[in-house]
Amino acid sequence: RKEVEQDPGPFNVPEGATVAFNCTYSNSASQSFFWYRQDCRKEPKLLMSVYSSGNEDGRFTAQLNRASQYISLLIRDSKLSDSATYLCVVNSGNTPLVFGKGTRLSVIA
Amino acid sequence: SAVISQKPSRDICQRGTSLTIQCQVDSQVTMMFWYRQQPGQSLTLIATANQGSEATYESGFVIDKFPISRPNLTFSTLTVSNMSPEDSSIYLCSVWEREGGADTQYFGPGTRLTVL
Repeated sequence: RKEVEQDPGPFNVPEGATVAFNCTYSNSASQSFFWYRQDCRKEPKLLMSVYSSGNEDGRFTAQLNRASQYISLLIRDSKLSDSATYLCVVNSGNTPLVFGKGTRLSVIA
Repeated sequence: SAVISQKPSRDICQRGTSLTIQCQVDSQVTMMFWYRQQPGQSLTLIATANQGSEATYESGFVIDKFPISRPNLTFSTLTVSNMSPEDSSIYLCSVWEREGGADTQYFGPGTRLTVL
C-alpha cells in the first residue's frame, strides 16, 4: 500500500463549482498534514496545513480524520486560477515530507 | 519564508556526461533535501544534504550516481553522474523552516534536465 494515496483525476469543473479531494495515508504515526499546490512546470507551494479541528482559508477548507486516516480539501466557488495539481502531503516526524501523486484540477469557463 | 534559487533552471545533456545543480538559500537552514520529479509522477526524495558530512540517501539512490555537497548552511549541490535518458526529470532543492511553531517545507524552482 502506498504511503499517501490520492485520486489522480483530472477533475474538470465549471467556474463557481465546489470540488472536494480526498487523500488517505497509511502511517498511523503521521503527525503533520499539508496540502501543496503545483502549477504546470512549477515547484510545489504550500497551500495550507491541515489540523485535527479542521481549518479554513477563504474558499479552501481542509479536514483531517485521524481515525480513518484521511485528509480532505474542499474548494468553494472555483476560479480558473485554481487549475493546478493538488498534492496531499504527510509528515511522520522529523523527516522529509511524503507526497501523494497529486490530483489534477481543471476549472473551465 | 526562505527564498531558494537553483542553477541551471534547465539543461539538455548528452548521455554519459554529468551535470551539477546548485541550490542557494537566502538564510541559514538546518535541513536541505534533494527531490526528483519525473513526468507525471510525484516527488521522490533522493537524499538529505547534511552540512559538513556525507548526505543521507534514500533507498534506490547512491552517492556514486548522485554525489551531494553541502559546504555551509545556505548552499548545496547535486551532481547527476554518467547520465542516461532515464535521468530526465525535474530536480528540486527543498528546505525545512520553522514558522509560527510549525515546520514547513519549501521548494526551489527546480532544474529541468533532459538527457539525450
